[in-house]
Amino acid sequence: DAGVIQSPRHEVTEMGQEVTLRCKPISGHDYLFWYRQTMMRGLELLIYFNNNVPIDDSGMPEDRFSAKMPNASFSTLKIQPSEPRDSAVYFCASSLLAAWGEQYFGPGTRLTVT
Amino acid sequence: KNEVEQSPQNLTAQEGEFITINCSYSVGISALHWLQQHPGGGIVSLFMLSSGKKKHGRLIATINIQEKHSSLHITASHPRDSAVYICAVNVDSNYQLIWGAGTKLIIKP
Repeated sequence: DAGVIQSPRHEVTEMGQEVTLRCKPISGHDYLFWYRQTMMRGLELLIYFNNNVPIDDSGMPEDRFSAKMPNASFSTLKIQPSEPRDSAVYFCASSLLAAWGEQYFGPGTRLTVT
Repeated sequence: KNEVEQSPQNLTAQEGEFITINCSYSVGISALHWLQQHPGGGIVSLFMLSSGKKKHGRLIATINIQEKHSSLHITASHPRDSAVYICAVNVDSNYQLIWGAGTKLIIKP
């Protein structure tokens, strides 16, 4: 298996632009997580899905952030409009059996908003 | 006080040394994870454990549930082990992972 795939790996955009991050979980994994990592706040869970259904989005910072999982093999995290404080590394992870099971992380997307 | 604390925050050692990184937590957990983050940023899950000890190559992870403490050991350390090692715990059967601040390890040749 190729592992969790994320794209793009790097994204540089201007403030106010829409940003879409993509994730393909490991095939067969029922849980998908979106995390954000910054120097100030470390790793934060933004949202997680179980069988394509969002279970808890309480970590999503504000309405500018939205996440979807249209099918078992694809998820997006969208920021509209983007702001400089959104600059961070965004990780996607998937888990096979349970939300508390071992999570497999993608390589991350480094987002820079200027 | 953070619910998950790691020590040391930074560790520099010579190649070949035996390395120990500690993780203490103050909440009830269902599992504890050790993860590795390389300078390039990618995160790799090393271990998930809820009791006892696990070994993978030169890496050993132990957990003492009664003492709420876990250790990650690296034997015969190598410069390629240089990374940030992160401890994270699942709170009981909650999906939430509470993360430690990480330990930055540098192994000098």
